[in-house]
Amino acid sequence: QVTLKESGPVLVKPTETLTLTCTVSGFSLSNARMGVSWIRQPPGKALEWLAHIFSNDEKSYSTSLKSRLTISKDTSKSQVVLTMTNMDPVDTATYYCARMGLELREFDYWGQGTLVTVSS
Amino acid sequence: SYVLTQPPSVSVAPGQTARITCGGNNIGSKSVHWYQQKPGQAPVLVVYDDSDRPSGIPERFSGSNSGNTATLTISRVEAGDEADYYCQVWDSSSDHQAVFGGGTKLTVL
Repeated sequence: QVTLKESGPVLVKPTETLTLTCTVSGFSLSNARMGVSWIRQPPGKALEWLAHIFSNDEKSYSTSLKSRLTISKDTSKSQVVLTMTNMDPVDTATYYCARMGLELREFDYWGQGTLVTVSS
Repeated sequence: SYVLTQPPSVSVAPGQTARITCGGNNIGSKSVHWYQQKPGQAPVLVVYDDSDRPSGIPERFSGSNSGNTATLTISRVEAGDEADYYCQVWDSSSDHQAVFGGGTKLTVL
């Protein structure tokens, strides 16, 4: 079955760089019909899409955060990595990775999420 | 950038019908997806491509999309439907990014 699992630090300091890894199973990152996005949710707030990587390695980024984000993948390891620079307390959130279908752009499978707190 | 507007809250009695709207400029031309999120859990896709249901989602969940408004309809509401609901589209007009609505808290009275 399809699963996604996020991993990374639970606590980062302001100005540090966050690196999160999404490990997928049940599908291949080389499958042309799907890709993987990162989405976050601050406590008590709405979902916010961050970035997406397609099977052909094409990338899309949130306009408001583009300068701080980098998304990449290692198909052989079934992993998608997100880095976010210059972390701030407002970046405290649960970070999810999710699979997205190419045709309709729906998120059909989600990871459980990982809570990242930004604090000194 | 493209904006999706949802009411912050909707309340409905058990057994009644809940309708949650998602407003956006000419949203009827886009494919709209809906997610249910219960406290402490990841979102779950409940309606995709305006009105289709993934396997395992009850027929009570349906959707429509026309003009500037998409609607998620939940018939015969149950206590277990109490959750936050989010609409989502892919904006390919300029920014090429996913957009979520602000979410609607469904309360079952």
